Amino acid sequence: QVQLVQSGAEVKKPGASVKVSCKASGYTFTSYGISWVRQAPGQGLEWMGWISAYNGNTNYAQKLQGRVTMTTDTSTSTAYMELRSLRSDDTAVYYCARGANYVYWGQGTLVTVSS
Amino acid sequence: DIQMTQSPSSLSASVGDRVTITCRASQSISSYLNWYQQKPGKAPKLLIYAASSLQSGVPSRFSGSGSGTDFTLTISSLQPEDFATYYCQQSYSTPPTFGQGTRLEIK
Repeated sequence: QVQLVQSGAEVKKPGASVKVSCKASGYTFTSYGISWVRQAPGQGLEWMGWISAYNGNTNYAQKLQGRVTMTTDTSTSTAYMELRSLRSDDTAVYYCARGANYVYWGQGTLVTVSS
Repeated sequence: DIQMTQSPSSLSASVGDRVTITCRASQSISSYLNWYQQKPGKAPKLLIYAASSLQSGVPSRFSGSGSGTDFTLTISSLQPEDFATYYCQQSYSTPPTFGQGTRLEIK
């Protein structure tokens, strides 16, 4: 069965960076892209970007350009999302999801940015 | 970016009620519209894709309709497990965008 398992919760100070992982299993990793979506506390869903697990092509949300980097490691079927220069409004649950129609999701990773 | 607007933002209903949630796009998105259900502390779950196609395993009391700019999600007979927040999302163009959500509460 398809599973996306994310890394654990993180607490970071403003200005720091965070790297969240998403390990895929149950399918051929390079056959689907991975999208990242975040959700601030009590708020809605915000698309952050997408990476092709086949060739590493990326497409990032305009507001995050320059602060976000998405990568994959095909040897371990793992996708990564790094967000730099963290601010308090980056506090959110970060989700990975497979493909373009988000049938499969990771369990979410809470990133708290606080001084 | 395409703006997605849901109404209502919250809704109180009883078990057995028929409920309709509306989603409007700021421009035509053909049928590139998905609906998700999210329960507290959980990832969203895909219910409907391509405006009206029921995702595998989703109960048939859920249905979707619409095309262009106006879409609806209908739950024909509310069950206790349906109380959650519902989001629409357009997949017509990048960036994919979500509605602000509709919180469905027990009356």
